[in-house]
Amino acid sequence: QKEVEQDPGPLSVPEGAIVSLNCTYSNSAFQYFMWYRQYSRKGPELLMYTYSSGNKEDGRFTAQVDKSSKYISLFIRDSQPSDSATYLCAMRLSNTGNQFYFGTGTSLTVIP
Amino acid sequence: NAGVTQTPKFRVLKTGQSMTLLCAQDMNHEYMYWYRQDPGMGLRLIHYSVGEGTTAKGEVPDGYNVSRLKKQNFLLGLESAAPSQTSVYFCASRAPRVYNSPLHFGNGTRLTVT
Repeated sequence: QKEVEQDPGPLSVPEGAIVSLNCTYSNSAFQYFMWYRQYSRKGPELLMYTYSSGNKEDGRFTAQVDKSSKYISLFIRDSQPSDSATYLCAMRLSNTGNQFYFGTGTSLTVIP
Repeated sequence: NAGVTQTPKFRVLKTGQSMTLLCAQDMNHEYMYWYRQDPGMGLRLIHYSVGEGTTAKGEVPDGYNVSRLKKQNFLLGLESAAPSQTSVYFCASRAPRVYNSPLHFGNGTRLTVT
């Protein structure tokens, strides 16, 4: 079983829709949770970084962590064609460790 | 500010050939990483370095060697390329003393081994 599981999609939504992207994980010791966005033929770039359980909002993006269920989500409101990308979740055991555990990514297309 | 720059962008090798991938960062980051990204496998750590002159193995180090002679550069070598090393390789860097410092990625090197 992989440490981090992520549905690869692809996910296709109309412009303006609310998008929900999710990851599950098996290691209850994970404390730091991230979402990266990766455009085609580019490197991943950090979108959101959260610690422990709860919600974090940044503009149209909301990251949610439910440690009791070992489940994290990224919500995108008012989705735009420019949001079309692959979204990777990532996790860390601590803020000093070097190991980042990545999901395989979910491909999202927002149709104008 | 270029960030993390990887060269070359594309390369085709024949089985048994060798090559070196170069990563350069201009952010004065101490930590640098090499990942490979394969469909259905996600990003997997090959090797990393926590400072000039230091290297350590990651999750999938076999068949690769690395060197960090200068703080800004991290080289990934393939001594005898195999088709299983066909992948997209990403270099990343990080400033470990900055709270919640993220990984900063380059745009990748697409390697095909025939």
